[in-house]
Amino acid sequence: SYVLTQPPSVSVAPGKTARITCGGNNIGSKSVHWYQQKPGQAPVLVIYYDSDRPSGIPERFSGSNSGNTATLTISRVEAGDEADYYCQVWDSSSYVFGTGTKVTVL
Amino acid sequence: EVQLVESGGGLVQPGGSLRLSCAASGFTFSSYEMNWVRQAPGKGLEWVSYISSSGSTIYYADSVKGRFTISRDNAKNSLYLQMNSLRAEDTAVYYCARDRGGLRGPFFDYWGQGTLVTVSS
Repeated sequence: SYVLTQPPSVSVAPGKTARITCGGNNIGSKSVHWYQQKPGQAPVLVIYYDSDRPSGIPERFSGSNSGNTATLTISRVEAGDEADYYCQVWDSSSYVFGTGTKVTVL
Repeated sequence: EVQLVESGGGLVQPGGSLRLSCAASGFTFSSYEMNWVRQAPGKGLEWVSYISSSGSTIYYADSVKGRFTISRDNAKNSLYLQMNSLRAEDTAVYYCARDRGGLRGPFFDYWGQGTLVTVSS
C-alpha cells in the first residue's frame, strides 16, 4: 500500500515561514491535498490539487508537489496556525493520509 | 451552509455492533460521494469507507473490510456506517466527510464534528 511520510513536528517563530513535507514514491504524479486540524476540532481542507486554496483560506498557505515530495508552506506564521497538518492522496481505490505533522509556533 | 452531523457513537463491548449516522444539509446530498474517516485517540487520520452518490460503488479500508458496511439514503439526506465485530482498535472518533471527486484525485471538502466510538469491556 502507498505510504506518505511527514515529519512528526515542525517549530517556527511567529512571522517566519513553516514548510511541511510529505514524502511518497513518485508523489509528483499524484494530486496532493492538505488538512489542518486543531485540538478537539474536525480537519479543515487548506490546500487541494497540490496548490489550490479553498475560499476562506489565507494566501499565506501554499503548496507544491514534485518528484517524491509535496510541501505545504505557511508564510508569515501566526499563533492561530498552530495545529496538526495532514497530507492526503488517492491511490488504488483508497484514500491515504500522511502520518501528520504538529506545527508549534514558538 | 454545508452541515454534516454525526450521531450513534458510544461505548460498546468487543464483538458488539454499532450503527453510525450522518445527517447532511445545505447541499444536494444525492449529487455527492461520501466517506467515513476515523481518528484513534492521539493518532492520525485513517480513511474507513467510501460510497458513490448513487450507492452503487463502495470501497473499504482493509482494516474494516468484512466487518463494516457503508450505506446511504438519499431521500433522507443521510449516510450510515454499520459496524459489526468491533475490536478495541476500532476505538476512534468517526467523521463523516463529503467527497470532492474527480479525475485529478478526490479529497474531502467538508467534515462533520465526529462521533466517538469506544470499544471496551
